[in-house]
Amino acid sequence: DARVTQTPRDKVTEMGQEVTMRCQPILGHNTVFWYRQTMMQGLELLAYFRNRAPLDDSGMPKDRFSAEMPDATLATLKIQPSEPRDSAVYFCASGTGTGTNNEQFFGPGTRLTVL
Amino acid sequence: AQRVTQPEKLLSVFKGAPVELKCNYSYSGSPELFWYVQYSRQRLQLLLRHISRESIKGFTADLNKGETSFHLKKPFAQEEDSAMYYCALSADRGSTLGRLYFGRGTQLTVWP
Repeated sequence: DARVTQTPRDKVTEMGQEVTMRCQPILGHNTVFWYRQTMMQGLELLAYFRNRAPLDDSGMPKDRFSAEMPDATLATLKIQPSEPRDSAVYFCASGTGTGTNNEQFFGPGTRLTVL
Repeated sequence: AQRVTQPEKLLSVFKGAPVELKCNYSYSGSPELFWYVQYSRQRLQLLLRHISRESIKGFTADLNKGETSFHLKKPFAQEEDSAMYYCALSADRGSTLGRLYFGRGTQLTVWP
């Protein structure tokens, strides 16, 4: 049963530190998404890749966030420097399709706490 | 522009009561709609998609293009239905192809 994996599952850090979150999409999936989930905003799309190329990162604060896909098996989301307002659960999702087959498979999330 | 609206952030019902989670959308193309569910501290998972017209865990949802709605319904709620529910829309064209637009979610609580 293929699943999206994310590491770390929990991260506590101090303001100003760099945070790197990793995601391994399901093998064969060509789209990868990073979401941030908070009580106030719900689920927000941060960045979106297709075939490893970034398509949309307009939801991401450019000055401190960066998202990359070094290869097809790894997506990374970095925050530098981190701030308390970045505290949230960050989800990665992957998929293959569009339209009626556009199911996204989510990872377990990284719960980030910035003190 | 694509938009998905879930007007209720919180919804509480008693076990055995009917439940309806509302979802309205705005999209100029041909929409594909989905409901995702997230149980406490778990990952989001697909609950159902409108194209399949199936019932999952007793839930159904009908796409009403006239009212641009895709409400999720269950005639008799169970305690295990307590979860966060997200309505999502899939774009069918252009650079946004493959992206899902999510509503803000509705937290459903079913009391015993």
